[in-house]
Amino acid sequence: DSGVTQTPKHLITATGQRVTLRCSPRSGDLSVYWYQQSLDQGLQFLIQYYNGEERAKGNILERFSAQQFPDLHSELNLSSLELGDSALYFCASSVRGQGANVLTFGAGSRLTVL
Amino acid sequence: QKEVEQDPGPLSVPEGAIVSLNCTYSNSAFQYFMWYRQYSRKGPELLMYTYSSGNKEDGRFTAQVDKSSKYISLFIRDSQPSDSATYLCAAFYSNYQLIWGAGTKLIKKP
Repeated sequence: DSGVTQTPKHLITATGQRVTLRCSPRSGDLSVYWYQQSLDQGLQFLIQYYNGEERAKGNILERFSAQQFPDLHSELNLSSLELGDSALYFCASSVRGQGANVLTFGAGSRLTVL
Repeated sequence: QKEVEQDPGPLSVPEGAIVSLNCTYSNSAFQYFMWYRQYSRKGPELLMYTYSSGNKEDGRFTAQVDKSSKYISLFIRDSQPSDSATYLCAAFYSNYQLIWGAGTKLIKKP
């Protein structure tokens, strides 16, 4: 157990729907990162939050949004889902928001869009 | 050109062999380099973390950075079935974001 908790583990939904993925960072970590990993693809950075504020943005679609709450847990909202959104979504956390960061990953949420 | 390039493999290795996994990078400002291991359908886990050039050893694993050629390597000695996984390299500097390679899939040669 890495200490980073992601729910749900698996999610099956239909095109056009909206889902919310949740992440609780490791105790003491202030920064949360969201990554997308499609089948046999590398990690695609989506967005980072540090202590409740957006810190960096990657290749995140406009249909996707995220936030980090005062208790430091984070949610990734995916809307108007398309078949191509089917992927593993990973949350990672780190102590710092920048600099020499070691990321600790959760087990991922597997999203299947039918 | 991607900032961090990594051959996706798969790389097939017999048990007991020495494995060499490699990445190249283009940004000479990168100072910190990491190797993560990812088992199928699991989250990546940190294996090795190095700063600047040189070698770092941890058990059967050795990470090597050659900044002059912008080349980073991970060596695995005495390869075991449990080493079958995807290995991701990553690099960053200062306040820059972590840049990931595509990952190399390592499989056990039957």
